[in-house]
Amino acid sequence: GAVVSQHPSWVICKSGTSVKIECRSLDFQATTMFWYRQFPKQSLMLMATSNEGSKATYEQGVEKDKFLINHASLTLSTLTVTSAHPEDSSFYICSGTSGGRNEQFFGPGTRLTVL
Amino acid sequence: LAKTTQPISMDSYEGQEVNITCSHNNIATNDYITWYQQFPSQGPRFIIQGYKTKVTNEVASLFIPADRKSSTLSLPRVSLSDTAVYYCLVGRRDGGATNKLIFGTGTLLAVQP
Repeated sequence: GAVVSQHPSWVICKSGTSVKIECRSLDFQATTMFWYRQFPKQSLMLMATSNEGSKATYEQGVEKDKFLINHASLTLSTLTVTSAHPEDSSFYICSGTSGGRNEQFFGPGTRLTVL
Repeated sequence: LAKTTQPISMDSYEGQEVNITCSHNNIATNDYITWYQQFPSQGPRFIIQGYKTKVTNEVASLFIPADRKSSTLSLPRVSLSDTAVYYCLVGRRDGGATNKLIFGTGTLLAVQP
C-alpha cells in the first residue's frame, strides 16, 4: 500500500518550453503533497507544500510563478515548470501524506533535462 | 523544524551490523524521528519511525535515548544492496503542512563485499 507514481519518469525539453509533471497517490488519499528537487550528489530540497483545493505554500527562494503547483484532487498534484532553462534540469520528487500521519510516501521521481 | 546532523559517509562490509547516529538537539515535543533510504535516481523509501526508546521492524531498529536529542539507526547484517544514502529527519505528526520534512545531507553507506 501507500504507492505514489510520477509521470513522466524522465523528460527532455528545449529551453523556453513548459513541462508538466504529474504525481498520483494510487491507493490512498493524499491530503497534503510535497514537491522536492534534487541536484546530483545533493540532498532533497523542499520546494512547496500543497493541500488539496488550496494554493501551494512555497519555500523561500522558490519562484511560485515559475513552478506552478496544482492539487485539484486528493490523488493528483501537478508541477509545471514554466519557461524551463538548463538550470532547471534536476530530479523532481513528489510525496504525499494523509491527514494525521507523519510518514510521507515518495514517488519514484522525474528526471528533467532542459537543453 | 529541528536540524539534524549525520556523518557524511560510512563504510561497512557484508554481514556486519551498521549503526548510523543522528543528532537533533532541538527536537520538539511533538516531533517524531523518521529514517529514509534513497538509491540513486529513486525517491526515498521509508525505513522506520519512532518517538522514544526502541522501535524494531523487519529491516531495522531505531534507538532513541530518553532526552531524544539523538537517534541511532541499526541495520543488521548489511548486504551490498544496502548501499544507499540514509536520511534522518524529524517532523511533527499533526497532519497537513506541518508534516513537511527538511532533508539534511544524509549518510552515504557503502557496503563492500
